[in-house]
Amino acid sequence: QLVLTQSPSASASLGASVKLTCTLSSGHTSYTIAWHQQQPEKGPRYLMKVNSDGSHSKGDGIPDRFSGSSSGAERYLTISSLQSEDEADYYCQTWATGIQVFGGGTKLTVL
Amino acid sequence: EVQLVESGGGLVQPGGSLRLSCAASGFTFSSYSMNWVRQAPGKGLEWLSHIRRSSGIRYYADSVRGRFTISRDNAKNSLYLQMNSLRADDTAVYYCARETTVVSESYFDYWGQGTLVTVSS
Repeated sequence: QLVLTQSPSASASLGASVKLTCTLSSGHTSYTIAWHQQQPEKGPRYLMKVNSDGSHSKGDGIPDRFSGSSSGAERYLTISSLQSEDEADYYCQTWATGIQVFGGGTKLTVL
Repeated sequence: EVQLVESGGGLVQPGGSLRLSCAASGFTFSSYSMNWVRQAPGKGLEWLSHIRRSSGIRYYADSVRGRFTISRDNAKNSLYLQMNSLRADDTAVYYCARETTVVSESYFDYWGQGTLVTVSS
């Protein structure tokens, strides 16, 4: 079964960096995933897709502070130089024929 | 600029029906598959349904199959979700999302702002 696992919460200080993790289920470890940001009371926004080789491509207008990487079954979203507006929920997403799957989301708190 | 604007949400009684719309602009609507995703209060994102560019192929999540129907009108640049037999656990914000497909990759690259559906007596 295709499942994405995310930690429920993360925190980091203003100006620091944070690395969020999305783990693919066994048998699906080569899948590409997409990262989405959802700021409070807003709709989601596409950030980037991250491939199994660590390459990534970002959506329109996404700052350079956001980057993606991979290791095995894990896909990462790194946010550097954290700003207050980065406080949001972050969701990973992947797909298979006939289905789209979301991780449970990580709530990022900027201290 | 790509824009997706949902409408049609509101308060409906259990067992009732509602039709959501999503107006698309800023891109060639007929060239993209589209999806509906919802978010219950305080919960995460849940994918509901997909429709191909020409409406020929549609997919549904188990939670809504047989109750919800996705459709589109490419001449009107619009996506729809007909929701029947609504239940309290269908209460959520409903989003439409554009799907970009490159070879075997498929992901949501634009989202609407959502429309709230409340199912309650």
